[in-house]
Amino acid sequence: SAVISQKPSRDICQRGTSLTIQCQVDSQVTMMFWYRQQPGQSLTLIATANQGSEATYESGFVIDKFPISRPNLTFSTLTVSNMSPEDSSIYLCSVKGTGYDTGELFFGEGSRLTVL
Amino acid sequence: GQNIDQPTEMTATEGAIVQINCTYQTSGFNGLFWYQQHAGEAPTFLSYNVLDGLEEKGRFSSFLSRSKGYSYLLLKELQMKDSASYLCAVSDITSGGSYIPTFGRGTSLIVHP
Repeated sequence: SAVISQKPSRDICQRGTSLTIQCQVDSQVTMMFWYRQQPGQSLTLIATANQGSEATYESGFVIDKFPISRPNLTFSTLTVSNMSPEDSSIYLCSVKGTGYDTGELFFGEGSRLTVL
Repeated sequence: GQNIDQPTEMTATEGAIVQINCTYQTSGFNGLFWYQQHAGEAPTFLSYNVLDGLEEKGRFSSFLSRSKGYSYLLLKELQMKDSASYLCAVSDITSGGSYIPTFGRGTSLIVHP
């Protein structure tokens, strides 16, 4: 298992501003994943944060809007840039387990953003 | 890509059995997951099926039929604390080339006395 800490846990932001979410893992991991969960929707993968290389983004998500940093094997940040009310969502950081259940994900508590 | 379908909401009585169905269509398949998510909390892993058949874990069981693109999560002896959203997720390949779960919208289960 993995223990994942995210902050902030929640924030209220003004339109047009940017917010950076931090994710800390208690063990070294190669890949960290950033998800978004909009109200009443499923978890949608934004990007994979790789240590030592650029993040890889899924269809519909771009680096200018969601820049990601991965300075070491236990830490990553996701920035939500130039926010609009449509960005109001829960943002979750996750890592893969390494046991038999390959692909099992462990999640942080999430960061709930409300954009006014 | 993939399409994952599960009911939006179900209700059941404490002590009863409930079955939550999930159907999927995917271009690549590397296993199916069920996660539980209580309101305001992060999802937690429940089960993983990669071969056809039933996997049992205490009160929870998960079934997979790959040929039918179908899975279900069976919850027995329901307790009030089982009220949560249950997410079906199919392991699929990302843009970066790794396999991680892609999630359905989740089924909100309400257990009442």
